[in-house]
Amino acid sequence: ETGVTQTPRHLVMGMTNKKSLKCEQHLGHNAMYWYKQSAKKPLELMFVYNFKEQTENNSVPSRFSPECPNSSHLFLHLHTLQPEDSALYLCASSQGRSGNTIYFGEGSWLTVV
Amino acid sequence: KQEVTQIPAALSVPEGENLVLNCSFTDSAIYNLQWFRQDPGKGLTSLLLIQSSQREQTSGRLNASLDKSSGRSTLYIAASQPGDSATYLCASMEYGNKLVFGAGTILRVKS
Repeated sequence: ETGVTQTPRHLVMGMTNKKSLKCEQHLGHNAMYWYKQSAKKPLELMFVYNFKEQTENNSVPSRFSPECPNSSHLFLHLHTLQPEDSALYLCASSQGRSGNTIYFGEGSWLTVV
Repeated sequence: KQEVTQIPAALSVPEGENLVLNCSFTDSAIYNLQWFRQDPGKGLTSLLLIQSSQREQTSGRLNASLDKSSGRSTLYIAASQPGDSATYLCASMEYGNKLVFGAGTILRVKS
């Protein structure tokens, strides 16, 4: 069992759909993250949660709505996305707020049509 | 704003060679620097983390160094193998565990 599990691994959605990405970490960490990896662009941070509280929103459009019901689960709700939002969405977790190793999941490949 | 640059963008070497991947960052006020590996279509695997107070870290055939004053880190891979083929990413960590990534180096080790 991997430490950070993401579902679904692949998702195709229309621009008017509503879907959600799910992330679960089994490492006992208290910080969770969403990162986006687009073609030909470096990985970029989207959101940070510490102890279920959002501590960082990296100017992400409101069509992406994160939810962190507890320290082990993180969701990314998707609504009215654009084709340019097609990317690999990576969830990660760590212990504490600074200086510790960050562990990533396998990612969810999102295609918006 | 922190910027991380990785050189070269791509590298192809024969099996058995020792190689060096380079990473530079513009803001030396980092908590640490982390190296990752990414296989095609996969997530990231953490390879090494160097705290800002450290100069290097080693794991098996991998050695990573950090020079904060010059804003540079290197990842040294000894006796490369075809299984080392992947994209290697470096990332600087800012306060709040925020990682700023470089674009990566695509490594191909030929058998």
